[in-house]
Amino acid sequence: GAVVSQHPSWVICKSGTSVKIECRSLDFQATTMFWYRQFPKQSLMLMATSNEGSKATYEQGVEKDKFLINHASLTLSTLTVTSAHPEDSSFYICSARAGLAGGREQFFGPGTRLTVL
Amino acid sequence: KNQVEQSPQSLIILEGKNCTLQCNYTVSPFSNLRWYKQDTGRGPVSLTIMTFSENTKSNGRYTATLDADTKQSSLHITASQLSDSASYICVVSAGREYGNKLVFGAGTILRVKS
Repeated sequence: GAVVSQHPSWVICKSGTSVKIECRSLDFQATTMFWYRQFPKQSLMLMATSNEGSKATYEQGVEKDKFLINHASLTLSTLTVTSAHPEDSSFYICSARAGLAGGREQFFGPGTRLTVL
Repeated sequence: KNQVEQSPQSLIILEGKNCTLQCNYTVSPFSNLRWYKQDTGRGPVSLTIMTFSENTKSNGRYTATLDADTKQSSLHITASQLSDSASYICVVSAGREYGNKLVFGAGTILRVKS
């Protein structure tokens, strides 16, 4: 299957700082990338959907000014958590989908564990 | 109420035994139903994908079934191994008119003991 990478795999930061997480599709072009957040023992929750070259679409309750998403190329999307606070500590997972909407499979990255002190 | 319900929440079995995980969903219309395996601290990995017209699909020791009439799916694991210990997530892809969004179940945590 297709490979999606995330960097870093884990990060610890101080409250108030910003953290950038990268998501790359390594062997295919991803027209759409998704960002999820997963709290312990809970399911993945979609935060936003980004299409290459356009603004991300955020799910209800997700602050777009706090979670900045950039999908500048067909192989890279970034999520920046601005002014991070302890409640932002979570497991962030991206996924990438190739081609047009219509049931194309999403390939998930390995996740990034964010801990805000 | 979650549109994808999984049972049991957790399960412990002995190595070599079989087990079956259940998934009931209310998402409608749906494009396909997927089962993922998620190891602790890792992203989900796809096991099977079934469209509404498929009744069963296998991937090695994993066999998924789908009954679109009753909106139920199951994942059967045969001859379990210690490495099968993980969370198994049932995911339903909503129809194209909903942007093919994925609706996730809460997962079943499986632990295989020696």
